[in-house]
Amino acid sequence: DVKVTQSSRYLVKRTGEKVFLECVQDMDHENMFWYRQDPGLGLRLIYFSYDVKMKEKGDIPEGYSVSREKKERFSLILESASTNQTSMYLCASRLPIYNEQFFGPGTRLTVL
Amino acid sequence: SQQGEEDPQALSIQEGENATMNCSYKTSINNLQWYRQNSGRGLVHLILIRSNEREKHSGRLRVTLDTSKKSSSLLITASRAADTASYFCATVGFGNEKLTFGTGTRLTIIP
Repeated sequence: DVKVTQSSRYLVKRTGEKVFLECVQDMDHENMFWYRQDPGLGLRLIYFSYDVKMKEKGDIPEGYSVSREKKERFSLILESASTNQTSMYLCASRLPIYNEQFFGPGTRLTVL
Repeated sequence: SQQGEEDPQALSIQEGENATMNCSYKTSINNLQWYRQNSGRGLVHLILIRSNEREKHSGRLRVTLDTSKKSSSLLITASRAADTASYFCATVGFGNEKLTFGTGTRLTIIP
């Protein structure tokens, strides 16, 4: 059974903290994605990665960075968390290119 | 930018009835996908329909695609309480790695 896991279900951080969100997939997928989901706005793509050490900006990359050192792991980094980054963060992976995505359970981040 | 727009935004029906959700999009696509999200959880892929297909079935799900109207519909037949969830359409363009999601339809099945 395919699986995408995320390091935390719920996370509370202070403004200005550096935040790491981890995502791991066990399907040997090349492509991985980070989205944020906000009410009324749907899912918006932050960053994605075609393969190890490769990354591309999505629609809303400002305030975020990513790291992909190993194929199975894709990390989202909030360099200096702000209250407007309070959101649900979803990670996904897939085989290239036009295929379905497999999602993790999400991390609900609150920045105080 | 949002590509798909679902309609309606919210839908409540009695258990056993059929539920229909619609999705419109703006640009040419390679395929269109439907996902389900249970409250506060990740998304689960339901069905993928390619631009050269007009209709696809999977269990109680039926998806249609009209590329001339840039629209798709998802029909869930004989609804069950467990179908209560949000449903999203997402499009993939040609030469484009990205899925672009709509804002979703919130479906509530009343027992």
